[in-house]
Amino acid sequence: RKEVEQDPGPFNVPEGATVAFNCTYSNSASQSFFWYRQDCRKEPKLLMSVYSSGNEDGRFTAQLNRASQYISLLIRDSKLSDSATYLCAWRGYNKLIFGAGTRLAVHP
Amino acid sequence: SAVISQKPSRDICQRGTSLTIQCQVDSQVTMMFWYRQQPGQSLTLIATANQGSEATYESGFVIDKFPISRPNLTFSTLTVSNMSPEDSSIYLCSVEDLGEPAGANYGYTFGSGTRLTVV
Repeated sequence: RKEVEQDPGPFNVPEGATVAFNCTYSNSASQSFFWYRQDCRKEPKLLMSVYSSGNEDGRFTAQLNRASQYISLLIRDSKLSDSATYLCAWRGYNKLIFGAGTRLAVHP
Repeated sequence: SAVISQKPSRDICQRGTSLTIQCQVDSQVTMMFWYRQQPGQSLTLIATANQGSEATYESGFVIDKFPISRPNLTFSTLTVSNMSPEDSSIYLCSVEDLGEPAGANYGYTFGSGTRLTVV
């Protein structure tokens, strides 16, 4: 089983839609979790850290479910500029491990 | 957050040659990480570079192929040795960013990447 599993998509959604991504992890030693955004031909950039209590930043909400070992990212009111690849990652053993990424395409 | 300067940004190299990639960080960091991202794939950790000790390599990566230097707390290099077309990839360095103020936006920051094409 892969350490981190993500649906690769692509998710094709219209502007204004709500879209959710899930990411499952296999290692219960995972300490911290993150969502990164990667635009084409660019480096990944931190979107959100994921806290046990969940966290929200504008249109973005991240949740952690330790019992079921998954994290989620919810994007509300999608914008064209949200089109990108979203990578989940977990930190454990002093390193960051990434999922395969989920591609999101928002269309007019 | 930390600022990383990575170079070169891209290169086209002949097979059998070597390329050294440099990363400079604007603050002192304990660990620096080197990743590879092959076309259409996610990021795979190559190794973790600690100042003053040997780098720690992940399964499938060896020092002879990817030697790493870490001469001080702000700088590291990764060399891709004896290159073949299969080494064509994007190589990225990364550091753990404690955020500012401490804890805010904690995460890992990446350099802008080196796009390597081996012909």
